Amino acid sequence: GENVEQHPSTLSVQEGDSAVIKCTYSDSASNYFPWYKQELGKGPQLIIDIRSNVGEKKDQRIAVTLNKTAKHFSLHITETQPEDSAVYFCAASRGGGSGGYNKLIFGAGTRLAVHP
Amino acid sequence: DAGVIQSPRHEVTEMGQEVTLRCKPISGHNSLFWYRQTMMRGLELLIYFNNNVPIDDSGMPEDRFSAKMPNASFSTLKIQPSEPRDSAVYFCASSLRLAGGSSYNEQFFGPGTRLTVL
Repeated sequence: GENVEQHPSTLSVQEGDSAVIKCTYSDSASNYFPWYKQELGKGPQLIIDIRSNVGEKKDQRIAVTLNKTAKHFSLHITETQPEDSAVYFCAASRGGGSGGYNKLIFGAGTRLAVHP
Repeated sequence: DAGVIQSPRHEVTEMGQEVTLRCKPISGHNSLFWYRQTMMRGLELLIYFNNNVPIDDSGMPEDRFSAKMPNASFSTLKIQPSEPRDSAVYFCASSLRLAGGSSYNEQFFGPGTRLTVL
């Protein structure tokens, strides 16, 4: 089955710096790659996602890149702020085509700390 | 919009007791997921319902776990009897799956129930 590996497990940056989190996946049929942010005491919340037909997607300070050949994708946060501090999860899915469903396989998470 | 509602938010029980976790999905959503989150195993899908019907329960750990969805606005996850290794945060998530096609739709997570089994 699908396996998603995520690195690093913890990341500490200074406010204003950039942060990069990387994930690799094993199932070449995966075609949907969301990123979730989980704040303390809350459930994960989708922040950005990318489908396999594009290589990059950007939304303000966050961007995601996808390399299908190498089977890896990354989250980039620029100009980090203290409120970006949280646990970030990547996930991979086959997207539910052909009668399937959007079963997400999550990475282990990255704890990001942004220091003022 | 209320979002996904879970209750209770915290549950402390003793080994051997029955535990019932509850979830109200977002109105209009037709897909519901139960997840378990632990430090050791991360976020794991336990069961997936579509239109109130269980589609994939391959993640349910063992017979002590059962889940039901009697209607579109309510689901339960029951553990009987509970064991200390069941201690975790349990999340419910919902999404809208469109008929006749693939689904990339966002899964909206509830705030979770933190379960502690002593």
